[in-house]
Amino acid sequence: AQSVAQPEDQVNVAEGNPLTVKCTYSVSGNPYLFWYVQYPNRGLQFLLKYITGDNLVKGSYGFEAEFNKSQTSFHLKKPSALVSDSALYFCAVRDTTLGSARQLTFGSGTQLTVLP
Amino acid sequence: DTGVSQDPRHKITKRGQNVTFRCDPISEHNRLYWYRQTLGQGPEFLTYFQNEAQLEKSRLLSDRFSAERPKGSFSTLEIQRTEQGDSAMYLCASSLETSSEKLFFGSGTQLSVL
Repeated sequence: AQSVAQPEDQVNVAEGNPLTVKCTYSVSGNPYLFWYVQYPNRGLQFLLKYITGDNLVKGSYGFEAEFNKSQTSFHLKKPSALVSDSALYFCAVRDTTLGSARQLTFGSGTQLTVLP
Repeated sequence: DTGVSQDPRHKITKRGQNVTFRCDPISEHNRLYWYRQTLGQGPEFLTYFQNEAQLEKSRLLSDRFSAERPKGSFSTLEIQRTEQGDSAMYLCASSLETSSEKLFFGSGTQLSVL
């Protein structure tokens, strides 16, 4: 079975400071990993994905995430936070093992608040 | 690109009533997904279609739930004999088959069962 954990319900950071939103995963084989963002009254929006290759992936709005296989983590990062980054962030995983579920499993979300 | 649209945005119903939601995906997307999201949780997969074929259903999808995509374009999700536990945000998403992990979500239908 595949699962995702986002250990922090809430992350607060001052504008201009670096931000990290944590995600760990569990799969039987190799993972596909994703970050989505949800703004109030808007649908979830794709930010970035890791499929294979470089462990550091870059996405929309200056976000990046680092795949760490030994720690089974895929933390979301941004060097300098903006107030407009305040939103709900979801990590998601899909196991690529043959016969595993083909759909994304999402974490419970982390509310990011960037303070001016 | 008009995005994924869902109708209605909100639905309030009494327990035992039937409800139907509609999703219009991005026009060139051949995959369509239904997810359910409750407060404080991430989206949970319900079912997905490739064109008009329903290829996978979650065990969360009880026999009171039925989804259709008759012409491979819009989809409907019907819940019969609603229960209070059905109260949730129902999300629709679509994708291209060639980029199936990049989902485009609608804003959802918020269902409240009284």
